[in-house]
Amino acid sequence: DVKVTQSSRYLVKRTGEKVFLECVQDMDHENMFWYRQDPGLGLRLIYFSYDVKMKEKGDIPEGYSVSREKKERFSLILESASTNQTSMYLCASWGQPGGPLHFGNGTRLTVT
Amino acid sequence: KNQVEQSPQSLIILEGKNCTLQCNYTVSPFSNLRWYKQDTGRGPVSLTIMTFSENTKSNGRYTATLDADTKQSSLHITASQLSDSASYICVVSGGAGNMLTFGGGTRLMVKP
Repeated sequence: DVKVTQSSRYLVKRTGEKVFLECVQDMDHENMFWYRQDPGLGLRLIYFSYDVKMKEKGDIPEGYSVSREKKERFSLILESASTNQTSMYLCASWGQPGGPLHFGNGTRLTVT
Repeated sequence: KNQVEQSPQSLIILEGKNCTLQCNYTVSPFSNLRWYKQDTGRGPVSLTIMTFSENTKSNGRYTATLDADTKQSSLHITASQLSDSASYICVVSGGAGNMLTFGGGTRLMVKP
């Protein structure tokens, strides 16, 4: 079974802090994604990566950046956390078009 | 604009009863449609993936239907169990870049 592991289940950070959310997958998938999930808004794509060192903006990239230095690891970075970035963050990986997305269990980030 | 609309937003049923969740989409061109189950505090897990040529697909007590002409899908849950309490998310793949468009989900609660 594919395993997508997010490093933290819960995080509390202060406004202005730099925040790193880490995601690791163990199935050699090329495609990895970061979403945020908010009540009433569903999942929204922040960034995705289809290969090492490659990244593409999703629907809501503002205030975020990403890093993909190794195939198995995809990091989401909040350069200066703000309260409107309080959310559930979900990482996913995708082995092939037509196949399922495999999600991690999410990181619930609270910015105070 | 590609959109996926799910109804109802929330649903409460008694254990043992059946229910049907709806998903309407405007994504074009269409590639495939997925249903995910998301337990509280966990990442979504794939239930079914349906392509254009498939109009019914089952996974245990879950049966998904697809009408590509009317751009509608439904997820039918038979003989509900307490463990079916979760959010169910419809995701359509297609459009420019074959991206994924997420519905807002239906929150199902099964009561004893």
